[in-house]
Amino acid sequence: KAGVTQTPRYLIKTRGQQVTLSCSPISGHRSVSWYQQTPGQGLQFLFEYFSETQRNKGNFPGRFSGRQFSNSRSEMNVSTLELGDSALYLCASSSRPRAIQYFGAGTRLSVL
Amino acid sequence: DQQVKQNSPSLSVQEGRISILNCDYTNSMFDYFLWYKKYPAEGPTFLISISSIKDKNEDGRFTVFLNKSAKHLSLHIVPSQPGDSAVYFCAAMGQGAQKLVFGQGTRLTINP
Repeated sequence: KAGVTQTPRYLIKTRGQQVTLSCSPISGHRSVSWYQQTPGQGLQFLFEYFSETQRNKGNFPGRFSGRQFSNSRSEMNVSTLELGDSALYLCASSSRPRAIQYFGAGTRLSVL
Repeated sequence: DQQVKQNSPSLSVQEGRISILNCDYTNSMFDYFLWYKKYPAEGPTFLISISSIKDKNEDGRFTVFLNKSAKHLSLHIVPSQPGDSAVYFCAAMGQGAQKLVFGQGTRLTINP
């Protein structure tokens, strides 16, 4: 069974641009969560989707948004990029809410 | 406010000995706890979990202990192997929530 796939693996953007990251969950998994990892703040929860609905959102500004499609694939979007958005963005999927979350390899975003 | 704390940023253990990683939490609403291992440039890999209705869970070389009164959990790895060298994250989940709250991680180094 294929794991969680995140694309692209690396991304370089400049301040003010926007970016879209993609996540394909493990086959059969309907819950997708997104996390941001930075050296200063560690791993922080961004949001969670289940059956195309956002169920939880972390403490991030409205520039961070996401969505989930009917095939459970998910995208997250960051608009008006800031230098502080440079981070590793991780996607995790689970078969249902409250089940074990399995992580992808992440997308490393650098904002210049 | 750090709800999940791993107070040891690093730990060095001799190959074959026991590794003990510790984690403390403050939120009494947490009822499900997980340990993940992370190598550089990879996403976290799930190791073992424990529900608050248990005080111990074993899986091969890995055992997690939960002390609810002390709000403390620990991960024991016996025997430690060189491939165990990685960063270990403790994570907690609250009732009714999918969101994982992570500790800052402990870098474990197994010396031959």
